[in-house]
Formats: sequence, C-alpha cells, structure tokens
Amino acid sequence: AQKITQTQPGMFVQEKEAVTLDCTYDTSDPSYGLFWYKQPSSGEMIFLIYQGSYDQQNATEGRYSLNFQKARKSANLVISASQLGDSAMYFCAMSLLNSGYALNFGKGTSLLVTP
Amino acid sequence: DGGITQSPKYLFRKEGQNVTLSCEQNLNHDAMYWYRQDPGQGLRLIYYSQIVNDFQKGDIAEGYSVSREKKESFPLTVTSAQKNPTAFYLCASSISPDRVDYGYTFGSGTRLTVV
Repeated sequence: AQKITQTQPGMFVQEKEAVTLDCTYDTSDPSYGLFWYKQPSSGEMIFLIYQGSYDQQNATEGRYSLNFQKARKSANLVISASQLGDSAMYFCAMSLLNSGYALNFGKGTSLLVTP
Repeated sequence: DGGITQSPKYLFRKEGQNVTLSCEQNLNHDAMYWYRQDPGQGLRLIYYSQIVNDFQKGDIAEGYSVSREKKESFPLTVTSAQKNPTAFYLCASSISPDRVDYGYTFGSGTRLTVV
C-alpha cells in the first residue's frame, strides 16, 4: 500500500525566514500526484501546490515551492518569507490510480511562525 | 459560488445511535470522498465514489455506510457499529477521478461528538 511519511511533528520558523517541510512517499506506481494542504485551526483544508509524477519541473505557487526528488521519493514543501498567518498544520498527500485517485495523507507537520 | 457544503458543523449524538452527515456539492464534480480526522492525525479515507450509484470502501470503512443516488450528494452514515465515532469528518470532491491536476475541493467539515 502507498504511504506518506512526514517526519517533523512540529516546526518553528521566524517571520520572513524560509522553512522546508519534509515529505517522503512510497509507491511502485509510475503515475501519481503529490499535494500539499494547509489546515488552520478552523479545520478547513486549503490546497497549496500540486506536482505530477511526470512533471519535469518543480511546482511553484507564489511563496510555495515543491522540491520534487523523484529518485529519493521526496516532495518537500518550501515556504519562503514566512508570515504569521502561515502558522497551521501542513499535510502532504498522494493520489494513485489503484485507490480511485483518493488522496492518501501523511500525519502532518505543525508549523508555528514566530515574530 | 460553487463549493461543498457539509452540515451540520457540530453534531452531538448519544452512543448507539446512527447519525447521517450531509455533503452536497454544486461543482458538477464526478468523484466524492469522505475522510475522518482524529486529533493530531492526518486524514484517513472512509469511502469514495467515482460515479453516481457506485462507491468503494476506503481504509477505515467499518461502521460506516454511504450512498450516491445523485451526483451532487454523498451522505455518510455513522452506524452504531463504529466503535469510536467521535472525530472530525471531511468531505471532498474532484472534477473526475483521473483529473487530479485540477485538485480536490474540501468542505468545511462536521465535528461529531458521541456522548
């Protein structure tokens, strides 16, 4: 079965600094999608960024970029110029054909941005 | 605006009672999903549906049931067989099962407490 691992339960970063949130995945399927979601304390899931397994370039969306290293099966999220509003839970997820493209989530990383 | 509506936001039920959580979308999405989230944990897949009148079990389907009689609706019933139903439940949808690059839309969730 596919698996997503986020090894950092909690992270601190100072405002305006960059931070990297780690994510590794395990699948033998050549076709998959990788996602990052932000979950503030309200509980809503906010889509941040997507990377397809066949995409040649790393995905970027504003202050978010995904460092995709296919051979190492890692998909780390980089947040540049952190803001206080970035404090939240961050989840890495993967979608696969053999699970109906349902998202499979990691356990998340809690990010706290300090002034 | 299009989106997913989950109701109610908070739900309290007595132990042993069945309860149904509503999920309605007006996005014309084919695929819908139900997830469960426990405190400090990632989301776990309960059921998913790729098309009307069809659905599949996810990783933790025991004690839950669903129906997909209409494209826009995917209600989840938490039965008395579910041993620990207190959790945060999230519904999601995607435009079609294989167009994951279009992303997934999440509802705002239902927090179920069984007393």
